[in-house]
Formats: sequence, C-alpha cells, structure tokens
Amino acid sequence: EVQLVQSGAEVKKPGESLKISCNVSGYMFTNYWIGWVRQMPGKGLEWMGIIYPGDSGTIYSPSFQGQVTISADKSISTAYLQWSSLKVSDTAMYYCARRWNAYYFFDYWGQGTLVTVSS
Amino acid sequence: EIVLTQSPGTLSVSPGERATLSCRASQSVSDYLAWYQHKAGQAPRLLIYGASSWATGVPDRFSGSGSGTGFTLTISRLEPEDFAVYYCQQYANPPFTFGQGTKLEIK
Repeated sequence: EVQLVQSGAEVKKPGESLKISCNVSGYMFTNYWIGWVRQMPGKGLEWMGIIYPGDSGTIYSPSFQGQVTISADKSISTAYLQWSSLKVSDTAMYYCARRWNAYYFFDYWGQGTLVTVSS
Repeated sequence: EIVLTQSPGTLSVSPGERATLSCRASQSVSDYLAWYQHKAGQAPRLLIYGASSWATGVPDRFSGSGSGTGFTLTISRLEPEDFAVYYCQQYANPPFTFGQGTKLEIK
C-alpha cells in the first residue's frame, strides 16, 4: 500500500528555520517524483515544486523559487521542504504528493503538515 | 505561467441532482488536466486525469470532458459525500498550476 506520512504540526516564530518531512512507503521512492503543495488558511491549493529522488532534480514554481528548498534522502525514503527564515505569511497547510508515473499530476497525497508562524 | 479559472466559486445543488463545474485555462493545455476533490481535514483526492480518465476507485457518476482551454467536471447524481471543494490542475507546462477551486455545497 502506497503511503506518504508527513511530520507533525509546527509552531515557529518569524525568522526561524524549519524542515518538514514526507516519508513514503509501499513503492520504490527513487522512481517517482514527489511534489509539495501549499494551502494557506481559507485559500486554494498552490503548486510549489517537485523533486525526483533518483537524482534530486527539482522544478520550482517561480513563486516559491528561492523561498523554500526541496530535498530528498534516498536512504530513508523521505522528502523534505525547508525554510531558512520563516515569515508569518508561510502559515499554511503543506501537502506532499506523489507524481503519477508519467505526468505531473498527483495520485497519492500525504495527510498534510500545518505550519504556524507567529510572533 | 498558465492561469486556471474555475467557475462558479460556489455551487449550491441538492443531493441527487447534477453538478457541473468549469475550469478555463489561459492558454491551451491540450488534455493535460486533472481534477481533485478536497474535503476539510483530509488530503486531496485525484478524481480525473487526462481531462476525462477516471482515477482508480472513482465512481462513474464523476466525469470529465474538454480539451484545449475549456474543461468540465460533471457529477451526475450527487451523493452526500460529494460535497467538497474541487480543484482543476494543469500539467502541460511548469509550474503545474491549480485553479482556485469550486466549493460544492448542499442546497
């Protein structure tokens, strides 16, 4: 069974760093792209970026390029989304999701990680 | 960046009736269009890909149509569990953007 299990909710202050995770099981981690999607409070889904764990190749949305870093650790089948300096506006639910085999839509999703940034 | 515009923003329909949701792209995406259902507190669920192909386990009361810049998701006979927010996503060109969503609510 394919599963994407995300790390738990985080409460941080502006300027702090953060790395959230997405651990996958039930398939070969290195064979499928993993993407990240943001949902700000009361808003819709936003495509942030995606990584191919096989070679760590990444594609970022211009809106998120330079604002976050997407990475992966093949040895533990885990993808990451990280910030070096959080802003209040980073408060959101973040989902990881697996890209379907050949095209850039998502067939399996994690349960989401709520990130709250507040002073 | 391709912009997807969904309409209406909110749709009020009674159970058992038909719902028709629209997604319009700012430029052609061919048939590289997916639909997702999102319920509060849950992960989004893939419904349709390739504009009209069902994802695994999706009931056939859901159907997708369209190509190029205009797409439709139709739910033929609404069940109570169908009331949710629906998003379209294009995967023709990066960034692979989502529409802003249509909230389907019980009338």
